[in-house]
Amino acid sequence: GAVVSQHPSRVICKSGTSVKIECRSLDFQATTMFWYRQFPKQSLMLMATSNEGSKATYEQGVEKDKFLINHASLTLSTLTVTSAHPEDSSFYICSARHSRGTNYGYTFGSGTRLTVV
Amino acid sequence: AQSVTQLDSQVPVFEEAPVELRCNYSSSVSVYLFWYVQYPNQGLQLLLKYLSGSTLVKGINGFEAEFNKSQTSFHLRKPSVHISDTAEYFCAVMNTGFQKLVFGTGTRLLVSP
Repeated sequence: GAVVSQHPSRVICKSGTSVKIECRSLDFQATTMFWYRQFPKQSLMLMATSNEGSKATYEQGVEKDKFLINHASLTLSTLTVTSAHPEDSSFYICSARHSRGTNYGYTFGSGTRLTVV
Repeated sequence: AQSVTQLDSQVPVFEEAPVELRCNYSSSVSVYLFWYVQYPNQGLQLLLKYLSGSTLVKGINGFEAEFNKSQTSFHLRKPSVHISDTAEYFCAVMNTGFQKLVFGTGTRLLVSP
């Protein structure tokens, strides 16, 4: 249980275009999802916390107009990288918080490798 | 605020040897602790977690970790590693208010024959 599906797994786009990444909780409702960015051989950097039905909370230094987050339903959050540039190339990972009884935890998606050319 | 330190960026080990990956945390409040594994170009998979109760936690793939409150540590151990254990391992901490996870910088485990 507690499966998170992230699509696409890999995307290449031209500089200046926008890319949407989807994160779905398949067998549970996720009122809160998280978006991370991971640079090569580095740790995960939290970009924003996505709350269903309300605005996302962005971490310091993350441009909210560049990285648009929408959490319109209890099972879907999307991250849109707008007007992408080569420096936006990275590995993006989403996660969803779940709680079943006392079993709290986070489940991660399989990640999206974004390459901007 | 919480922080996590993984002192070893890379740990080389031979197959079937034991291994310990170190994790120390800093927090002014009670925390939950996690270990995740990441294979190349994939997301994170939970190995084990400490929420409460027994300080020795057993996880998947033969891994275990021990929560030591006095030393603020949560080291990961496996008595005999396999080639397939080669991956990046992340320690993470979260306050018991169940807010965001804070990750360490990761430790690359390299298992050779």
